[in-house]
Amino acid sequence: GQQVMQIPQYQHVQEGEDFTTYCNSSTTLSNIQWYKQRPGGHPVFLIQLVKSGEVKKQKRLTFQFGEAKKNSSLHITATQTTDVGTYFCAGPSGGSNYKLTFGKGTLLTVNP
Amino acid sequence: EAQVTQNPRYLITVTGKKLTVTCSQNMNHEYMSWYRQDPGLGLRQIYYSMNVEVTDKGDVPEGYKVSRKEKRNFPLILESPSPNQTSLYFCASGINRIEQYFGPGTRLTVT
Repeated sequence: GQQVMQIPQYQHVQEGEDFTTYCNSSTTLSNIQWYKQRPGGHPVFLIQLVKSGEVKKQKRLTFQFGEAKKNSSLHITATQTTDVGTYFCAGPSGGSNYKLTFGKGTLLTVNP
Repeated sequence: EAQVTQNPRYLITVTGKKLTVTCSQNMNHEYMSWYRQDPGLGLRQIYYSMNVEVTDKGDVPEGYKVSRKEKRNFPLILESPSPNQTSLYFCASGINRIEQYFGPGTRLTVT
């Protein structure tokens, strides 16, 4: 079945450093979503990317969708302690637009 | 306030004792879904529902049942829980599968 891999699994940074997490799918995706989960919390939707090569920004967060629509990245500029959490990507799977497969996530910790 | 609620939030039970985790949303969303979250495995979809009376299997449906008799409710049923179903469970809803709103989670322990 479809697999969605995320790297790295963990990332520890000093506050102010940049951070990037990568998501790779074994199949072409019609779209990809990103979620953030704070420690002890629930996942919160961040964004969806649909177009090949698409780049979207949310303040210090930059999301990219690869040209082949098989990979995506989330980049955070100048991390803050509020960025701590696990970042997940997710894409449709099994030929259905309703079934969703999540990557295992990247846990970001920030040292103040 | 727009929200997804789950009950109970914490549950400790024994193997084989049937249980139901309720999920309710007040946003009139058509799409609802159940996930389980385990360390190192991320979020895995159990079942999803596109609308009332329409449900389908996710990646890990074995040992679970769902029903969608009303738009707002999507209960998760474990007919005969086993220890390998010990997990953190999240219910989510959305206009479709995009921009899902997650509930607070239910931590289930099966002994």
